[in-house]
Amino acid sequence: RKEVEQDPGPFNVPEGATVAFNCTYSNSASQSFFWYRQDCRKEPKLLMSVYSSGNEDGRFTAQLNRASQYISLLIRDSKLSDSATYLCVVIVSGGYNKLIFGAGTRLAVHP
Amino acid sequence: DTGVSQDPRHKITKRGQNVTFRCDPISEHNRLYWYRQTLGQGPEFLTYFQNEAQLEKSRLLSDRFSAERPKGSFSTLEIQRTEQGDSAMYLCASSLGQEQYFGPGTRLTVT
Repeated sequence: RKEVEQDPGPFNVPEGATVAFNCTYSNSASQSFFWYRQDCRKEPKLLMSVYSSGNEDGRFTAQLNRASQYISLLIRDSKLSDSATYLCVVIVSGGYNKLIFGAGTRLAVHP
Repeated sequence: DTGVSQDPRHKITKRGQNVTFRCDPISEHNRLYWYRQTLGQGPEFLTYFQNEAQLEKSRLLSDRFSAERPKGSFSTLEIQRTEQGDSAMYLCASSLGQEQYFGPGTRLTVT
């Protein structure tokens, strides 16, 4: 079983739609949580950290449920430029902050 | 550009040859990570340096792989006797804290 699991998608949505991605992690010692964005053939870039109380950054909202070991990302009012792969990432305590990535969820936003 | 740089960006080599990749982190970052990413997967951790000390190596890093970070600045990743299964994107990241900044990667193709 992978440490971080995501639905690979693709999610094909029209501009303006709201889309949600989910992610589960298996290690209860996971202490920090992130969403990274990766464009085709580019490096991953940090989209946002995920906090226990939930947090929002513009059109993006991230939620964490530690009891269920579940992380979500909601994108409102999708733009064409949101088309990318979204990687769910955790850091496990005691691991020198190495990032553990899910395989990613592909999003394609169409006109 | 003061971001993480990697060289070369692309490398095509024949099976059995040795290859070496270089990573130049953001100058004040003392932490440096190497990851490997294959198609359709998220990046997987290979190794971690804090300054010049290599503090963690993944089981993915077989005896054919070696990494160095002399003087705690740039790092090199060498693969000896390359195999077709080594074909992947090799990503370097640096950080001061939890947020890691990735370089553009070196795409290795072993023929």
